Amino acid sequence: SQQGEEDPQALSIQEGENATMNCSYKTSINNLQWYRQNSGRGLVHLILIRSNEREKHSGRLRVTLDTSKKSSSLLITASRAADTASYFCATAADSNYQLIWGAGTKLIIKP
Amino acid sequence: ETGVTQTPRHLVMGMTNKKSLKCEQHLGHNAMYWYKQSAKKPLELMFVYNFKEQTENNSVPSRFSPECPNSSHLFLHLHTLQPEDSALYLCASSQDFGARGGNTIYFGEGSWLTVV
Repeated sequence: SQQGEEDPQALSIQEGENATMNCSYKTSINNLQWYRQNSGRGLVHLILIRSNEREKHSGRLRVTLDTSKKSSSLLITASRAADTASYFCATAADSNYQLIWGAGTKLIIKP
Repeated sequence: ETGVTQTPRHLVMGMTNKKSLKCEQHLGHNAMYWYKQSAKKPLELMFVYNFKEQTENNSVPSRFSPECPNSSHLFLHLHTLQPEDSALYLCASSQDFGARGGNTIYFGEGSWLTVV
């Protein structure tokens, strides 16, 4: 069953603006991961945040996790054309070894 | 270059054909995966191998047959597929099996499969 659900499904912004994507999930988790997929390519791991963490940074990426609301957000600051891709969240539940994936947010950065 | 190599990148096959997808990882990982990605759907985990042993088979039809001869190589044998099997098939690996441990997944570039 689908665990993570990204919102919005698609997002189009101007280069230089910030992009925010959200992920909601249903069951308690051990960790949540964000991945990026360029069109027609494989997925690339961006960042992992554990259930006892609230915020993590990696370069222009900032991920927050609110376990009380069962949601996470991915913020990309000062977006670039190269950030155009689909972004997926994946959750690891305490009760399951598998990563459960959302359907992704398609981000388009307009030059 | 992610360290996971898939071949072929594109494959067109008829419904009566038999073909195979190949995956090789150069990361020294112990777990390998096959995922199916269809348009506008979440990634579907098909098979998991941990130390060459199959640990997960998520109700995948028998027309998909995985093979893992060693920890570095993974195959997906395809026969009598249906048009709805057309999708991007992604191979992946991780250091160990188990997302709870915080294992991150390394993906190959995928094999685009079209069944005609």
